[in-house]
Amino acid sequence: EAQVTQNPRYLITVTGKKLTVTCSQNMNHEYMSWYRQDPGLGLRQIYYSMNVEVTDKGDVPEGYKVSRKEKRNFPLILESPSPNQTSLYFCASSLRDSLNYGYTFGSGTRLTVV
Amino acid sequence: KNEVEQSPQNLTAQEGEFITINCSYSVGISALHWLQQHPGGGIVSLFMLSSGKKKHGRLIATINIQEKHSSLHITASHPRDSAVYICAVLNYGGATNKLIFGTGTLLAVQP
Repeated sequence: EAQVTQNPRYLITVTGKKLTVTCSQNMNHEYMSWYRQDPGLGLRQIYYSMNVEVTDKGDVPEGYKVSRKEKRNFPLILESPSPNQTSLYFCASSLRDSLNYGYTFGSGTRLTVV
Repeated sequence: KNEVEQSPQNLTAQEGEFITINCSYSVGISALHWLQQHPGGGIVSLFMLSSGKKKHGRLIATINIQEKHSSLHITASHPRDSAVYICAVLNYGGATNKLIFGTGTLLAVQP
């Protein structure tokens, strides 16, 4: 089944403890992106990647890192999480020609930083 | 002002009613997406439009590029349609494939 897999689904952590949220897709998509969703603000882009070893900042990149060493994986790294990073996170992927092929989203990761 | 505005923000309907959710945008776009998000659930893509109209089951999506406006219609609504519906536009000049999202419309369909 074609899908985007995120792990974990739920995570509670403490301020300052490094964590990684994984994202993997099995559709050979070039484009991958991370979003956070907050009440009243909608989905906002954190980082995106157009292909392997090509990443760039989105609208809210502060406090996050990403890497794209393989086409299928795009992990989101929080080096020193803070409570304002408590949010619902989504990974998405698409072919480069997203105009014709659309996007596939992961199931989300609900992160709580205390 | 947000680049993508949805209305209404909240909508309560009785089962069987015809529902319309609206989306207006202020940027040049290559395409527009309608997404569905169930409580606690992931995001599912319902439609992607660049012109005209698309239909899938009881769902119909239309777009007017000149007016920068799209609508999502649900016919014969059912409680299982209760979800957040999100409009997202693919920004024109999209070398970055960037989506810009509305804040969503929370729909509750009561039996």
